[in-house]
Amino acid sequence: DGGITQSPKYLFRKEGQNVTLSCEQNLNHDAMYWYRQDPGQGLRLIYYSQIVNDFQKGDIAEGYSVSREKKESFPLTVTSAQKNPTAFYLCASSRAVYYEQYFGPGTRLTVT
Amino acid sequence: AQSVSQHNHHVILSEAASLELGCNYSYGGTVNLFWYVQYPGQHLQLLLKYFSGDPLVKGIKGFEAEFIKSKFSFNLRKPSVQWSDTAEYFCAVNSLMNTGFQKLVFGTGTRLLVSP
Repeated sequence: DGGITQSPKYLFRKEGQNVTLSCEQNLNHDAMYWYRQDPGQGLRLIYYSQIVNDFQKGDIAEGYSVSREKKESFPLTVTSAQKNPTAFYLCASSRAVYYEQYFGPGTRLTVT
Repeated sequence: AQSVSQHNHHVILSEAASLELGCNYSYGGTVNLFWYVQYPGQHLQLLLKYFSGDPLVKGIKGFEAEFIKSKFSFNLRKPSVQWSDTAEYFCAVNSLMNTGFQKLVFGTGTRLLVSP
């Protein structure tokens, strides 16, 4: 089955700790994205990558970092510098940047 | 910058009622428009899209949307809703960033509850 997997589904961390969220796709898509979803705010773009070994900041990149060493993988690290990290994080991919995006199931991160 | 407005945050309908969810975007020009749906406990998935051509677009599960360029609108419709349509619906439009990258801008979503 082709798709996007994100793990874990729920993640709990203490304040001050970095945490890495996994995103893997087997759709052979070039472009990958990370979004943050907060109640009443829709989806906001954190980082995107158009191709392997390249990525760019989105609208709310502060406190986050990514890597794109493999086409199928685009992990997101939420660092201790992110002031309000508790949120639902969605990973997406598309064939290229002008095509529709396919979404993973999301990771709900809670930082206390 | 491009923005998307979904005016209805919560909609409650009875089964068999007709549905129309509003979506307006701010910038004109060439746009790609999307409706995504998030059923409870499921992935966000594409309902329908408009890139060009016929402004009346048909999607999955009996949904359709009409692109009206003069009104900057892309409203979602369904003639008769079912309980299984209970979900959150997001409108999205492409937006050109300074890097030349086309990103998607999402509305804040509309929660639809269909009562049996």
